[in-house]
Amino acid sequence: EVQLVESGGGLVQPGRSLKLSCVASGFTFNNYWMTWIRQAPGKGLEWVASITNTGGSTYYPDSVKGRFTISRYNAKSTLYLQMNSLRSEDTATYYCTRDLRPGTPGFAYWGQGTLVTVSS
Amino acid sequence: DIQMTQSPSFLSASVGERVTLSCKASQNINKYLDWYQQKLGEAPKLLIYNTNNLHTGIPSRFSGSGSGTDYTLTISSLQPEDVATYFCLQRNSWPLTFGSGTKLEIK
Repeated sequence: EVQLVESGGGLVQPGRSLKLSCVASGFTFNNYWMTWIRQAPGKGLEWVASITNTGGSTYYPDSVKGRFTISRYNAKSTLYLQMNSLRSEDTATYYCTRDLRPGTPGFAYWGQGTLVTVSS
Repeated sequence: DIQMTQSPSFLSASVGERVTLSCKASQNINKYLDWYQQKLGEAPKLLIYNTNNLHTGIPSRFSGSGSGTDYTLTISSLQPEDVATYFCLQRNSWPLTFGSGTKLEIK
């Protein structure tokens, strides 16, 4: 069974940093692209970052580019999101997601999410 | 960036009714369009990928269609468990962009 378990969320002051983790199990982690998606309270979904299965390429929207870094440690089946210079608008539940199949995008598997609150 | 516009924002329909949700892209997205269902308090769930491919385990009353800039999610016979917010997502080009969602309720 595919499982994605996020951790690392919490309350953080504006301008500070936080690192999220997502531990994957139930599949061969190094075969899949992985993606972080967030959802602000009561709002819609926003794509945050994607990484190829090898970690060789990463992708970000302008809203987080230069502040957030997605990475992975395939030996430990773990995905990360390093978030720097946090802003109030980064307050959201952050979901770790996996593609449907290798080479077939579509966020078929989601973690339970971890809440990040940026506030002084 | 490609803008995704969903309509309506809110829809109330009766059990058994046929329901159609719309998603319009600001440019051609070559059928790289997914639909997600999110129930209250839960993570989103993939319903349909690449416009019309039903994800495993999703009831056959859900279907997708479209091309170019215009896409549709259809529920052939609305069930009480379909109460949720539905989001479309374009994967044609970076940055990936979601629509703002359609909240579906039972009348």
